[in-house]
Amino acid sequence: GNSVTQMEGPVTLSEEAFLTINCTYTATGYPSLFWYVQYPGEGLQLLLKATKADDKGSNKGFEATYRKETTSFHLEKGSVQVSDSAVYFCALTHASGGSYIPTFGRGTSLIVHP
Amino acid sequence: KAGVTQTPRYLIKTRGQQVTLSCSPISGHRSVSWYQQTPGQGLQFLFEYFSETQRNKGNFPGRFSGRQFSNSRSEMNVSTLELGDSALYLCASSPGTSGGAGYNEQFFGPGTRLTVL
Repeated sequence: GNSVTQMEGPVTLSEEAFLTINCTYTATGYPSLFWYVQYPGEGLQLLLKATKADDKGSNKGFEATYRKETTSFHLEKGSVQVSDSAVYFCALTHASGGSYIPTFGRGTSLIVHP
Repeated sequence: KAGVTQTPRYLIKTRGQQVTLSCSPISGHRSVSWYQQTPGQGLQFLFEYFSETQRNKGNFPGRFSGRQFSNSRSEMNVSTLELGDSALYLCASSPGTSGGAGYNEQFFGPGTRLTVL
């Protein structure tokens, strides 16, 4: 079945540091890939998405590129802020037998210190 | 536009009881999905409803059920509660006009925190 693997957290960074959160997936064919963010006490929000190979999703300074050859969708940001502290989820959706079941990674907690 | 709302926000039940959670999607959204979030298992898909019909289903026992009303509001029911059902239950809505849950961007509510004692 489909699966998403994210790096274990927490990731702890100082403000203005470079961020990478690794995400790899297992799925047949061409799934759509997403990054969601969950701030404390809130539901998940879509951060960015990519629907085909080599697509780059970007939003709020975050970006991720759909790499079919390495089955990866790593999240990056050049300079993090304290307000970026949250849990980040990598996810995919793929059609299987007529169903589209979303599969989420376990989430990676990011803590940014001033 | 108002976001996805879930009621109640917090709930405490005892083993063996049953519980009903409610979700109101964003106006105009016809797809409602439910997820269970726990520290051990992460975020797991329960089921999706579209136009009052269950369209997709995850791998959960039959104690977990749901329904959707004509106004797209959805309820989720868990019968014969077990300690392991303690979790944050998230509801997400999407336009749902093509594909199933997650094919399009989903908009999540804040969740209902269920504690089973």
